[in-house]
Amino acid sequence: AQSVTQPDIHITVSEGASLELRCNYSYGATPYLFWYVQSPGQGLQLLLKYFSGDTLVQGIKGFEAEFKRSQSSFNLRKPSVHWSDAAEYFCAVGGFTGTASKLTFGTGTRLQVTL
Amino acid sequence: ETGVTQTPRHLVMGMTNKKSLKCEQHLGHNAMYWYKQSAKKPLELMFVYSLEERVENNSVPSRFSPECPNSSHLFLHLHTLQPEDSALYLCASSQEAYRRGEQYFGPGTRLTVT
Repeated sequence: AQSVTQPDIHITVSEGASLELRCNYSYGATPYLFWYVQSPGQGLQLLLKYFSGDTLVQGIKGFEAEFKRSQSSFNLRKPSVHWSDAAEYFCAVGGFTGTASKLTFGTGTRLQVTL
Repeated sequence: ETGVTQTPRHLVMGMTNKKSLKCEQHLGHNAMYWYKQSAKKPLELMFVYSLEERVENNSVPSRFSPECPNSSHLFLHLHTLQPEDSALYLCASSQEAYRRGEQYFGPGTRLTVT
């Protein structure tokens, strides 16, 4: 069965500092991988996705993620964090259920940004 | 309207009430999902509809009853809920033909059961 692990429950960074959020997955085939962001009381917004090809993918809001098959990882990065990036971040791996696809989510990492 | 919308955004109901949550997607997708998000717990997939047929029901109690009348609309009918059902209920949609699990979420309905 597929699974996603986000080892960091809570991370605090200073505004302007770089950020890396860790994600490890377990999946039998080539994974489809996603990062979502959730602001308090809101739904999840898709930040970026990896299907195949270039292992470094660019997303919205200046985020990027790198797929490393050898490490089963898909870490999210941003060179310079803004106060508005404070939110919860979810990594997910895509799979299938019957005729539909499904996502398996990690437990999330809450990002706090200090000024 | 664009994207995925959910109504109401907030709902307070007693344990004996009956209410419904509504989700509408304006993306031309053909699969829709209900998730439950409780504090300090992972996102729980409740139901999946593909081409208006239910393809997954993750051992959800019968007090939750989904309905998908067409590919753009999804409902979650609620009755005789318990306080532990208080949570954020999220709806999502995807296009199964080629999106490979890429889902788009609504803003959620914050449900409080008193």
